[in-house]
Amino acid sequence: EVQLLESGGGLVQPGGSLRLSCRASGFTFTNHAMTWVRQAPGKGLEWVAGISFNGGSTAHADSVKGRLTISRDNSKNTLYLQMNRLRAEDTAIYFCAQAPRKYYDESGYHPYWGQGTLVTVSS
Amino acid sequence: EVVMTQSPATLSVSPGEGATLSCRASQSISINLAWYQQKPGQTPRLLIYDASTRATGIPARFSGRGSGTEFILTISSLQSEDFAVYYCQQYNRWPPLTFGGGTKVEIK
Repeated sequence: EVQLLESGGGLVQPGGSLRLSCRASGFTFTNHAMTWVRQAPGKGLEWVAGISFNGGSTAHADSVKGRLTISRDNSKNTLYLQMNRLRAEDTAIYFCAQAPRKYYDESGYHPYWGQGTLVTVSS
Repeated sequence: EVVMTQSPATLSVSPGEGATLSCRASQSISINLAWYQQKPGQTPRLLIYDASTRATGIPARFSGRGSGTEFILTISSLQSEDFAVYYCQQYNRWPPLTFGGGTKVEIK
């Protein structure tokens, strides 16, 4: 059974940092690109960042570029999101999600999602 | 960036009736479109990918069609568990992946 378990969320002051983790199990982690998607309270889904199977290709939404960084450690079956210089508008539930193949090209949908971890940026 | 626009924002439907949800892309995305269902407090659930292929375990009352810039999700004979928010997402041009704003299907 595919499982994605996020952790690392919490309350942080504006300008602060957090690192989110997503531990994957039940599938071969190295066969899949991975994605972070967020959802602000009462709002829709927003793509945050994506990473190819080996970390060789990454991309970030313009709204987070230079502040949030996606990475992965395939030896630990874990996806990360390093969050620096956080702003109030980064407050959201952060989901990790699995893409079906190693790269996103024409296969960037997400069959499996974690339950999410809440990040609150507030003083 | 491909902008995805969903309509209507809210759809009021009686149980047993059908529902038609629309998603429009700002440029052609071929058939690289997915639909998700999200209920309050839950994680998104993949319904449809490649515009018309049902994901594993999705009931046949959910169907998708379209290509290019116009896409439709049809739910025939709504069940109580179908009242939720539905999002479309394109994956033709990455980055970024982009989602529509969502359509809430509520009980009439």
